[in-house]
Amino acid sequence: QKEVEQNSGPLSVPEGAIASLNCTYSDRGSQSFFWYRQYSGKSPELIMSIYSNGDKEDGRFTAQLNKASQYVSLLIRDSQPSDSATYLCAVRPNFNKFYFGSGTKLNVKP
Amino acid sequence: DAGITQSPRHKVTETGTPVTLRCHQTENHRYMYWYRQDPGHGLRLIHYSYGVKDTDKGEVSDGYSVSRSKTEDFLLTLESATSSQTSVYFCAIRVTPDRGKGRGTEAFFGQGTRLTVV
Repeated sequence: QKEVEQNSGPLSVPEGAIASLNCTYSDRGSQSFFWYRQYSGKSPELIMSIYSNGDKEDGRFTAQLNKASQYVSLLIRDSQPSDSATYLCAVRPNFNKFYFGSGTKLNVKP
Repeated sequence: DAGITQSPRHKVTETGTPVTLRCHQTENHRYMYWYRQDPGHGLRLIHYSYGVKDTDKGEVSDGYSVSRSKTEDFLLTLESATSSQTSVYFCAIRVTPDRGKGRGTEAFFGQGTRLTVV
């Protein structure tokens, strides 16, 4: 079983819509959760981190965490073509390591 | 800018040759990581370091070795490169920003090294 699971997509949404990206993780003791954005040919870039149950908002991005269900999601409101990228979910289950999902590719159509 | 640079950025090498990739940081962070990224597998941890001369294995460490003789440099060596090691390699550092602003320990990445083994 992988530490972090994501649907590979692609997820296609029209410009201006809400994009919803989901992730599940296996280690129930995990405390730190992250969303990274990766453009083609570039390195992953941290866009959101969340540490407690509930929602965390930053501009057009909202991260949601449900530890009981071992579920993390990322909502992107008013999606723009520039949001088209692969989104990686990451979990830090212990002090030392970060585990990443394989990513969900998002296409935002003008 | 987390101050991480990787070199080389691109490399083509022949099967059976040794290859060393370098990760350099400018901010004195204790933890450094090497990941490889392949289609369908995402980022997989190869090795990590928690200090000078302190390293440990990740989930895909076979065929790789690492060294950290200075805080700022973390080297990844493919002892005898194989075609299955063709990949994009990313170095990362662990950063703990201001906890008072609701942020905890996070990982930041270098630009990546595209390695092709022919």
